[in-house]
Amino acid sequence: DGGITQSPKYLFRKEGQNVTLSCEQNLNHDAMYWYRQDPGQGLRLIYYSQIVNDFQKGDIAEGYSVSREKKESFPLTVTSAQKNPTAFYLCASKGTVDTQYFGPGTRLTVL
Amino acid sequence: AQRVTQPEKLLSVFKGAPVELKCNYSYSGSPELFWYVQYSRQRLQLLLRHISRESIKGFTADLNKGETSFHLKKPFAQEEDSAMYYCALSGMNTGFQKLVFGTGTRLLVSP
Repeated sequence: DGGITQSPKYLFRKEGQNVTLSCEQNLNHDAMYWYRQDPGQGLRLIYYSQIVNDFQKGDIAEGYSVSREKKESFPLTVTSAQKNPTAFYLCASKGTVDTQYFGPGTRLTVL
Repeated sequence: AQRVTQPEKLLSVFKGAPVELKCNYSYSGSPELFWYVQYSRQRLQLLLRHISRESIKGFTADLNKGETSFHLKKPFAQEEDSAMYYCALSGMNTGFQKLVFGTGTRLLVSP
């Protein structure tokens, strides 16, 4: 699998720490997305970016921050303000005409 | 508001039995509907979209605007179909290129 990658695969965080999840794509897609996946709740949109240097809040943005300095990269920071950060995080990208392609995900656990 | 409802958290069938995963939606206008699948230890991937009218891996889904449904069907289930299935919609009302996901249905096909 290439195209869109996420790192690390597993991440452990102590309470009160900020952590940054990486998402990189080489598909030349303009749009990128971050979702949170919890059992029984499906995928919920955290942030999305339509183009470089621009991003918008999704449905559950509180406690998260993003940046989009390069087309290929859309890192997500989970801050200490996020009350329940333990979850599986998925990044996706989308070109003009096709649908969203997803990365393999990062599982974040707060200790 | 846009919403996707998948009423079944778990659907368990025997190999060779017919399968129908239900998806209902609420949306003002003409949405685009998708089915995504997540096999064990694999990334979330597109299974099919209503505008393509394709049959992928034996699965079909018909958009019923009168009943606002997009149920996923397969006449004879296989063990390799066991996975998590998500229904999703997109459209002008969801915002730029955003997907709204249902909560997912886990399909378990037993031998």
